[in-house]
Amino acid sequence: AQSVTQLDSHVSVSEGTPVLLRCNYSSSYSPSLFWYVQHPNKGLQLLLKYTSAATLVKGINGFEAEFKKSETSFHLTKPSAHMSDAAEYFCVVSDRGRTGGGADGLTFGKGTHLIIQP
Amino acid sequence: GAGVSQSPSNKVTEKGKDVELRCDPISGHTALYWYRQSLGQGLEFLIYFQGNSAPDKSGLPSDRFSAERTGGSVSTLTIQRTQQEDSAVYLCASSLTRPGQGTTGELFFGEGSRLTVL
Repeated sequence: AQSVTQLDSHVSVSEGTPVLLRCNYSSSYSPSLFWYVQHPNKGLQLLLKYTSAATLVKGINGFEAEFKKSETSFHLTKPSAHMSDAAEYFCVVSDRGRTGGGADGLTFGKGTHLIIQP
Repeated sequence: GAGVSQSPSNKVTEKGKDVELRCDPISGHTALYWYRQSLGQGLEFLIYFQGNSAPDKSGLPSDRFSAERTGGSVSTLTIQRTQQEDSAVYLCASSLTRPGQGTTGELFFGEGSRLTVL
């Protein structure tokens, strides 16, 4: 079985300061991991993905995430927050060893609401 | 079209009425997903299609919910005898799949259909 835990339901940072959104996962197989962003009244958009290549993954809008197998973590970071980063962020694990069932192996975290203070 | 298209974008209905929500996925995407997102909640998986078949219907909350997909393309989610607790945003996503390996995990989302049941 697989699961994903986003450790913070809300994160508030000041504009220009670093962002850290935490995600821990469990998987019995070799996972693929994703971060999605959802701006208000919009669908989800892929930020970045890890699929067993480089452990440090760079995404859009200056975000990056590091896959740490020993810590079973895939935290999302950005050096300097911008007001436009205010959104909901979802961590997703895809169990590539499975097919079918449970939305084809995809498990979403409950989301982290990122607030940017001016 | 270039992206996943959902209609209607907003639907207000009276309790007890039936509603149909439509999803037009990206051309060539064989996997299609329906999720429900209630206010302040994460994504709740409803159903997953691979082509026209639904290997996973485990998320449908009751027998009032049904979905079909025809021609490997457009999908319709139908809610019969709507209740106030059905009020939510219904998100559709599509994805490429790899034979024997399931989805690539990268989902492309529509902007959702916001359902309000009075």
